[in-house]
Amino acid sequence: GQQLNQSPQSMFIQEGEDVSMNCTSSSIFNTWLWYKQDPGEGPVLLIALYKAGELTSNGRLTAQFGITRKDSFLNISASIPSDVGIYFCAGPWGGNTPLVFGKGTRLSVIA
Amino acid sequence: DTEVTQTPKHLVMGMTNKKSLKCEQHMGHRAMYWYKQKAKKPPELMFVYSYEKLSINESVPSRFSPECPNSSLLNLHLHALQPEDSALYLCASSQGALIGHTNTEAFFGQGTRLTVV
Repeated sequence: GQQLNQSPQSMFIQEGEDVSMNCTSSSIFNTWLWYKQDPGEGPVLLIALYKAGELTSNGRLTAQFGITRKDSFLNISASIPSDVGIYFCAGPWGGNTPLVFGKGTRLSVIA
Repeated sequence: DTEVTQTPKHLVMGMTNKKSLKCEQHMGHRAMYWYKQKAKKPPELMFVYSYEKLSINESVPSRFSPECPNSSLLNLHLHALQPEDSALYLCASSQGALIGHTNTEAFFGQGTRLTVV
């Protein structure tokens, strides 16, 4: 079945620390998307990746599309309190379907 | 502008009520989606409209009825819902209609928090 394995499930970090989370799939993806969701809000697109090996940054966020096309990671540098939320990886399963989502990584930042 | 607007933000309805959720985008996107999200879970796809036609229905019960009046609007009509249907309902749109390599970036609205009593 469609499975995106996202880890870790949750993280508690100190403000200023760097964060890393990743997503793996049993099948090849052509696109990896990373979203952040605040409580009670819709997911907000952070970074979109379209090529194997691609490394893309958005401010303090950096994401990479794995060479095997079966994984991706998201790094957040120098975390701040507003980074708190749930981070989801997502992609079109089989390359031609609507997005499926990982289970999310819940990030808590301790000031 | 990457805005998808959903109304209402909150809705409480009884099990015998009929209500509608509305979604609007003015980005010229050709695909629009309804997702359902339960607490502490990822969004789950319900429906996809591509070029104003229903292209995917993920085996959603008939008490949920989608409608796409035009390329900018998407509605979700609700009737005879159950308490377990309480969730955050998310609308999204993307430029490409189910195209794998590009234009699959989906932009989400803020959601409608639905409570069925």
